[in-house]
Amino acid sequence: TQLLEQSPQFLSIQEGENLTVYCNSSSVFSSLQWYRQEPGEGPVLLVTVVTGGEVKKLKRLTFQFGDARKDSSLHITAAQPGDTGLYLCAGADNYGQNFVFGPGTRLSVLP
Amino acid sequence: NAGVTQTPKFQVLKTGQSMTLQCAQDMNHEYMSWYRQDPGMGLRLIHYSVGAGITDQGEVPNGYNVSRSTTEDFPLRLLSAAPSQTSVYFCASSYSSTAGGSPDTQYFGPGTRLTVL
Repeated sequence: TQLLEQSPQFLSIQEGENLTVYCNSSSVFSSLQWYRQEPGEGPVLLVTVVTGGEVKKLKRLTFQFGDARKDSSLHITAAQPGDTGLYLCAGADNYGQNFVFGPGTRLSVLP
Repeated sequence: NAGVTQTPKFQVLKTGQSMTLQCAQDMNHEYMSWYRQDPGMGLRLIHYSVGAGITDQGEVPNGYNVSRSTTEDFPLRLLSAAPSQTSVYFCASSYSSTAGGSPDTQYFGPGTRLTVL
């Protein structure tokens, strides 16, 4: 069974600070996705990483896929209150048809 | 496009009752999935479908049935509701950016919050 762990579980920071959240597994994934979910809504896809070592940037968000494709990180620069939400990572399963989700990191950015 | 729609948004059931959660998408996606989300556990896959007429079980299928008679609709049926099925249910549809490839981008509906008493 492929499992994903995320850390930290909760994170509360001040506006303007930088942060990094992590997604780890003992399994190899063919691709990994990051989602943000706001209260009362479904998750929204932020990025998909496919190649080991890949780095993608989305404005102030930087995503990295580990060289061995077992882990990933999300770095946010100069966090803003609008970044508040639940960040979920999801890895494509062995058949590439479904996704295994981590439990999420709940981020709160205080003004 | 409306994207992925789910009804109802909220539902309260008594133990033993049955009901159907509706999911529809207007993006002509082949892949559709049902997840449940519980605190501290992320999203867990219940059932999924890779096309009309084809369904398969996910990680937690017990107590749920699905069917896929059309590309657009993927209803989830609770046969005899139990308190353990209290959760938020999300439907998702997805496509592959490469012809014949695995699905990548998933689009989620707004969810159905179900309470079983």
